Amino acid sequence: DGGITQSPKYLFRKEGQNVTLSCEQNLNHDAMYWYRQDPGQGLRLIYYSQIVNDFQKGDIAEGYSVSREKKESFPLTVTSAQKNPTAFYLCASSILGASTDTQYFGPGTRLTVL
Amino acid sequence: GNSVTQMEGPVTLSEEAFLTINCTYTATGYPSLFWYVQYPGEGLQLLLKATKADDKGSNKGFEATYRKETTSFHLEKGSVQVSDSAVYFCALKLNEKLTFGTGTRLTIIP
Repeated sequence: DGGITQSPKYLFRKEGQNVTLSCEQNLNHDAMYWYRQDPGQGLRLIYYSQIVNDFQKGDIAEGYSVSREKKESFPLTVTSAQKNPTAFYLCASSILGASTDTQYFGPGTRLTVL
Repeated sequence: GNSVTQMEGPVTLSEEAFLTINCTYTATGYPSLFWYVQYPGEGLQLLLKATKADDKGSNKGFEATYRKETTSFHLEKGSVQVSDSAVYFCALKLNEKLTFGTGTRLTIIP
């Protein structure tokens, strides 16, 4: 089945630790995205990538880092510099170059900082 | 910049009631418009979309019409079911980026 997988579903981290969230897609999409969801605030874009080995900051990139070494994979690292990392993180992908095209979302990872 | 404003929730309706969730947008250009639905603990699923003025998107009994003159994309359903309980997000897409509204939580009571 084609789709986007995120792991783990739930993640707990101690304050001061870095943690990496996984996102993999087998849809052959060029573009991939990371969003953060907080209650009552909708989704906010953290980083996005339109091609391997290239990525751009979104609206709330501070305290996060990404890599795009393979087309299928776009891991997100939440660093200790992120002041309020507890949130629901969603990864998405889409075909590049078609503004009408849909972004497809993974099931999400809920990160809790203890 | 681009922004999406949607109806504050939560919205609670009885089964078979008529649903409207309002959505308006501002954009520097001609966006595509989307409604996504999120069930508890899950990611977002595309519900419907419209790519140009006067287009109507529809799916699972839900409809929304792209109104350029009022910059709106209101979501409607004639008869809601308990299984429609979820959070609904309106979004616009421009230059490969999605901008989301804050979401509207819908609860349907049997």
